Amino acid sequence: NAGVTQTPKFQVLKTGQSMTLQCAQDMNHEYMSWYRQDPGMGLRLIHYSVGAGITDQGEVPNGYNVSRSTTEDFPLRLLSAAPSQTSVYFCASRVQENYGYTFGSGTRLTVV
Amino acid sequence: EDQVTQSPEALRLQEGESSSLNCSYTVSGLRGLFWYRQDPGKGPEFLFTLYSAGEEKEKERLKATLTKKESFLHITAPKPEDSATYLCAARGFKTIFGAGTRLFVKA
Repeated sequence: NAGVTQTPKFQVLKTGQSMTLQCAQDMNHEYMSWYRQDPGMGLRLIHYSVGAGITDQGEVPNGYNVSRSTTEDFPLRLLSAAPSQTSVYFCASRVQENYGYTFGSGTRLTVV
Repeated sequence: EDQVTQSPEALRLQEGESSSLNCSYTVSGLRGLFWYRQDPGKGPEFLFTLYSAGEEKEKERLKATLTKKESFLHITAPKPEDSATYLCAARGFKTIFGAGTRLFVKA
C-alpha cells in the first residue's frame, strides 16, 4: 500500500505564481484534509473533504482552493502565491471522522 | 475556544531515563485524543487514539493515558531511535493540534 502520496516534495515559487499540490490515497478513505505546518505552531487545517464532491473550509483557507472529483484525489491549488504561504504542506486521510489520520510525506513550499 | 497545549517544548533524556510528555486540552465534547510521532522531513505517523478518561494504550516503550483535562505520553527506558517530535491532537467539533514536544534521547 502506498498510503497517501504527495507531489512535489519541494517547490519554489515566485510571488504571484499559481500551482497545484497533488495528493492521492489508495485506502478508500472518505475523509481527506490539507494542513500547513509552520515552526512553533500546531498543524493548521486549510481545507477538508468528507467525500467526493464535498469540500469545506478549515482554519486558514484564504489563498487556497480545493476540489474532490474522486475518492482518491484531493489537490490543493494556490491561486496567487504570497511569501506568507511559505510552509510545509501535508495531506492526510482517515477512514472515519473520529479516527487518526494517515499523513503524506509533505511538500516544502518556498515563495520568494 | 478549543485549545491544545503541549509541554515541555523540548526534552533531552539519556538512554534508559524514563519520562512523560504532557498534552493539556480544552475541547468541548471530546471525541478523540490522538498522539503522533513525526521524524524530521516526514509526515506525522499515527500512534494512539484515546476516547475516554481513564483509557490507556501501549506500544513498545510508549504508553498514552487520558484524563478529563490532559493526556500523557509515558516513555519507558527510551532509546536513541525514540528521538522525534511527538504531536497530540484533540477532536471536539474539529481537530486541534498542539505544537509538539521535541524529544532527544542520547546514547
